[in-house]
Amino acid sequence: EDQVTQSPEALRLQEGESSSLNCSYTVSGLRGLFWYRQDPGKGPEFLFTLYSAGEEKEKERLKATLTKKESFLHITAPKPEDSATYLCAVDTASKLTFGTGTRLQVTL
Amino acid sequence: DGGITQSPKYLFRKEGQNVTLSCEQNLNHDAMYWYRQDPGQGLRLIYYSQIVNDFQKGDIAEGYSVSREKKESFPLTVTSAQKNPTAFYLCASSVRPMAEGYEAFFGQGTRLTVV
Repeated sequence: EDQVTQSPEALRLQEGESSSLNCSYTVSGLRGLFWYRQDPGKGPEFLFTLYSAGEEKEKERLKATLTKKESFLHITAPKPEDSATYLCAVDTASKLTFGTGTRLQVTL
Repeated sequence: DGGITQSPKYLFRKEGQNVTLSCEQNLNHDAMYWYRQDPGQGLRLIYYSQIVNDFQKGDIAEGYSVSREKKESFPLTVTSAQKNPTAFYLCASSVRPMAEGYEAFFGQGTRLTVV
């Protein structure tokens, strides 16, 4: 059975304190890994798609990387507006499987 | 602006009632999806449709029904057979089915509460 595990469940950072979120997966036939950002009471907002090990993508303070077993979302010098839940999802031949997310809080 | 519109934002249902959640997209996407989100759980797939007049059950389809009569619209009916319908419901669409590696774009969700 396809599984996606995100860690940590929650993370509190001070403004400017860089860190990484982890998404580990056990799937057969990965076709893509997606990162989304979700604000409270809103729908997920698409951030990145990664297709193969070694691939990296960047957007502002976020950088996503992919290995054969996990993906990292690196947040460099975060700001309070980066506070949100970050969701990871893996796309296999049959369906999209989501992790439970990492709740990020960035304080001043 | 192109996007996915879900309505209503909040919905209250009495026990034994059927309710319908609306989802409309103007992105010209072929595939559309309904997910349910509960606290502490990942998004779970209810139904999906890859093309007009065709749809498939997801992981938790019991107590739900859908239709896809138009490319732009994919309404979800929560029937009285759904024993625990209180949740946040998300509609999504993608250019092609997500199993082909295309990202999905989500609406802003409908929060359904049973009263």
